[in-house]
Amino acid sequence: DQQVKQNSPSLSVQEGRISILNCDYTNSMFDYFLWYKKYPAEGPTFLISISSIKDKNEDGRFTVFLNKSAKHLSLHIVPSQPGDSAVYFCAASALSGGGADGLTFGKGTHLIIQP
Amino acid sequence: DGGITQSPKYLFRKEGQNVTLSCEQNLNHDAMYWYRQDPGQGLRLIYYSQIVNDFQKGDIAEGYSVSREKKESFPLTVTSAQKNPTAFYLCASSWLAVYGYTFGSGTRLTVV
Repeated sequence: DQQVKQNSPSLSVQEGRISILNCDYTNSMFDYFLWYKKYPAEGPTFLISISSIKDKNEDGRFTVFLNKSAKHLSLHIVPSQPGDSAVYFCAASALSGGGADGLTFGKGTHLIIQP
Repeated sequence: DGGITQSPKYLFRKEGQNVTLSCEQNLNHDAMYWYRQDPGQGLRLIYYSQIVNDFQKGDIAEGYSVSREKKESFPLTVTSAQKNPTAFYLCASSWLAVYGYTFGSGTRLTVV
């Protein structure tokens, strides 16, 4: 059973507009969430994270929002740029549980920025 | 420069042969991981190791083997028992897993 779900396999957004990538989770023990960005034939790179004690974290053009009651988080990219075209993975972990199991990943969303 | 290195970048294997993928890190991380990526499947965990001389099976360990004789190294062997070995393989390491991983650049394995 998937504990981290990214229900949109792909998303197309016009350059300059806002990109919103969504992620849902089912395990209520998860309390730390991360977003990774991946280009083809490369390893994922860390983008931004958020702890469950916060509902928003911002870093430049990237903002992650967390809604704990809905078990939902989203990544906002504004404005979207051509270099943002990549696969984005949502990941979650349970800090309070010691984290022995590491990260649980979603299946990814392929973001395509149209010129 | 600290980092995690996977080699080779591309690897071709004949059916029925075992092949070993290399993963080395100089980040002094305790934990290391192997993932496999297939189109539409995301990242699936093959094996992980939290300490030298110890490792655990992940979700898709069948047909794979690993060793962790040194902190810096976590090689993955794809055996002939792996039914569908063609994939992109990613190695990762972490100091404290919950805070995130550092990934290598991956190895593309193709069985011919």
